[in-house]
Amino acid sequence: ELKVEQNPLFLSMQEGKNYTIYCNYSTTSDRLYWYRQDPGKSLESLFVLLSNGAVKQEGRLMASLDTKARLSTLHITAAVHDLSATYFCAVDRGDDKIIFGKGTRLHILP
Amino acid sequence: GAGVSQTPSNKVTEKGKYVELRCDPISGHTALYWYRQSLGQGPEFLIYFQGTGAADDSGLPNDRFFAVRPEGSVSTLKIQRTERGDSAVYLCASSLGQGVGGELFFGEGSRLTVL
Repeated sequence: ELKVEQNPLFLSMQEGKNYTIYCNYSTTSDRLYWYRQDPGKSLESLFVLLSNGAVKQEGRLMASLDTKARLSTLHITAAVHDLSATYFCAVDRGDDKIIFGKGTRLHILP
Repeated sequence: GAGVSQTPSNKVTEKGKYVELRCDPISGHTALYWYRQSLGQGPEFLIYFQGTGAADDSGLPNDRFFAVRPEGSVSTLKIQRTERGDSAVYLCASSLGQGVGGELFFGEGSRLTVL
């Protein structure tokens, strides 16, 4: 059974700092997704990573995928308060069943 | 419509009652997913449709839960004999399918409260 683990589950950081969120998964997959969720809102797609070594960047966020290590990272550069949200990674098991991690709740202090 | 539409946005019901939650996906999206999200948790997979058929219903917690998508578009999640533990936000998502990346587009969710 596919397990998706994120760490940390909660992160409080100051504006201007850099940090990385990690997403590990338990079975072979080359499809991984990152989503953002604001409180009381639904999920918004951030990145789609479809192959080993894939790297995507949008603003202060950069996501990468290492399928051999079964690891994806979401790197935050020079954090700003607007990035405060919960971030989820999700993995396609290979048969279109997409499993989500528990999320990383990110709180950026001004 | 432009996005995934879910109705109702909020539903309060009594224990033991029957509930239907509706999802209208993005036009042209062949894949449709239902997830359940409890407070502070990640979305929990329930069921996935490809076209009209349920390709994977392994996430449905028990036989009180059932979902249909009779014409390959709108889907209804049905919950019989609701229990307090069914209280959660039920999220629907649609996608063009894995052949084009599989990115999910989510609706705003239906918040179910069972008293």
